[in-house]
Amino acid sequence: EAGVTQFPSHSVIEKGQTVTLRCDPISGHDNLYWYRRVMGKEIKFLLHFVKESKQDESGMPNNRFLAERTGGTYSTLKVQPAELEDSGVYFCASSPKDGRVYEQYFGPGTRLTVT
Amino acid sequence: AQSVTQPDIHITVSEGASLELRCNYSYGATPYLFWYVQSPGQGLQLLLKYFSGDTLVQGIKGFEAEFKRSQSSFNLRKPSVHWSDAAEYFCAVGGPEYNFNKFYFGSGTKLNVKP
Repeated sequence: EAGVTQFPSHSVIEKGQTVTLRCDPISGHDNLYWYRRVMGKEIKFLLHFVKESKQDESGMPNNRFLAERTGGTYSTLKVQPAELEDSGVYFCASSPKDGRVYEQYFGPGTRLTVT
Repeated sequence: AQSVTQPDIHITVSEGASLELRCNYSYGATPYLFWYVQSPGQGLQLLLKYFSGDTLVQGIKGFEAEFKRSQSSFNLRKPSVHWSDAAEYFCAVGGPEYNFNKFYFGSGTKLNVKP
């Protein structure tokens, strides 16, 4: 079983530019989550999809962040325009819909550097 | 606000020595507790989880953790550390009292292993 994959692994952009991060969850997992870790601090929840619907986006920092999950498969997280404080590691996770819903499987993360 | 505290930012132990990483959560009668490990260049890997029942749980790679409700703690232990255990460890809490599928993470503990 392939794990959660994320692309790119690392992105360096200038302030004001746009970046799109992609996450491919484990096949068959209805739940998809985005988290972010900024400057060695705690990993913080951004949002949660159930299939293609946003279940909880309470952690999204502001309207410069847009997450989509078309067709309920892969998800993208777009930052437009990027600011310096957006730098960090963005993790994606997925979990099944059955009794193991609380077992979140994480990808390797995308390290975003905004200069 | 919900929070998870990992008081030790860095820990160094000698190979073969025992290890205990501390984790405290802020509230909840029925927390779901997790320990994840992130090795360099890798994603977050689930080491073990506690939902209910026996308060001493066994995980992968020889790790175990003990849930102590009276202390709101979920400390991770290993009797004999191997050099390959050098990584960053994250404690997380989730469950029905924590906005369902949203996880709250600690800031992480970096483990160094001396030869």
